[in-house]
Amino acid sequence: EDKVVQSPLSLVVHEGDTVTLNCSYEVTNFRSLLWYKQEKKAPTFLFMLTSSGIEKKSGRLSSILDKKELFSILNITATQTGDSAIYLCAVVPYGGSQGNLIFGKGTKLSVKP
Amino acid sequence: DGGITQSPKYLFRKEGQNVTLSCEQNLNHDAMYWYRQDPGQGLRLIYYSQIVNDFQKGDIAEGYSVSREKKESFPLTVTSAQKNPTAFYLCASSSGTSGGLPYEQYFGPGTRLTVT
Repeated sequence: EDKVVQSPLSLVVHEGDTVTLNCSYEVTNFRSLLWYKQEKKAPTFLFMLTSSGIEKKSGRLSSILDKKELFSILNITATQTGDSAIYLCAVVPYGGSQGNLIFGKGTKLSVKP
Repeated sequence: DGGITQSPKYLFRKEGQNVTLSCEQNLNHDAMYWYRQDPGQGLRLIYYSQIVNDFQKGDIAEGYSVSREKKESFPLTVTSAQKNPTAFYLCASSSGTSGGLPYEQYFGPGTRLTVT
């Protein structure tokens, strides 16, 4: 059965800390992995990863994929209270007839001032 | 088992027809959401409902309508006014919010709608 597992489920840090969020997966016909940040109402798209070893970066956020070990990490450096959110990882299976996103349950990050 | 279900998994319609996508949850969640996903893009919010008999437009509500008559059900109607209805539609639910942060959303398996 395809599955995506995120860890930890929740995390509390202080401003300025660096955090690493993990996402491991077991999916047949892997196509890509997505990271989302969910704040008040809806997840916002962060990164799409399709190739191993190529870091995607946006400001203080970065992410990398390891297709051999079947995982991805999301790093946030110099955290701010505005980074408090749930971070969702989702895997997209390859194949146009499928299209189901397989989501992890998310990591709830709380950044304390 | 508790969960969120969407039906059907695949749906085909002719242009000009309205179509309703089903979303049911037995998680006793207050909040429900509809998203759309297009190839290569992230989720985009269509509508959401935080309580029965109340719902709000999301980022791309034009051409869609919803109802929330029961806590466990949040059907989405794709109307003929939606210019590009072919997409993958995801429904989600959550317990709501705590301290400003949402509880995690549980997503249904999705419905792939193809309009020709």
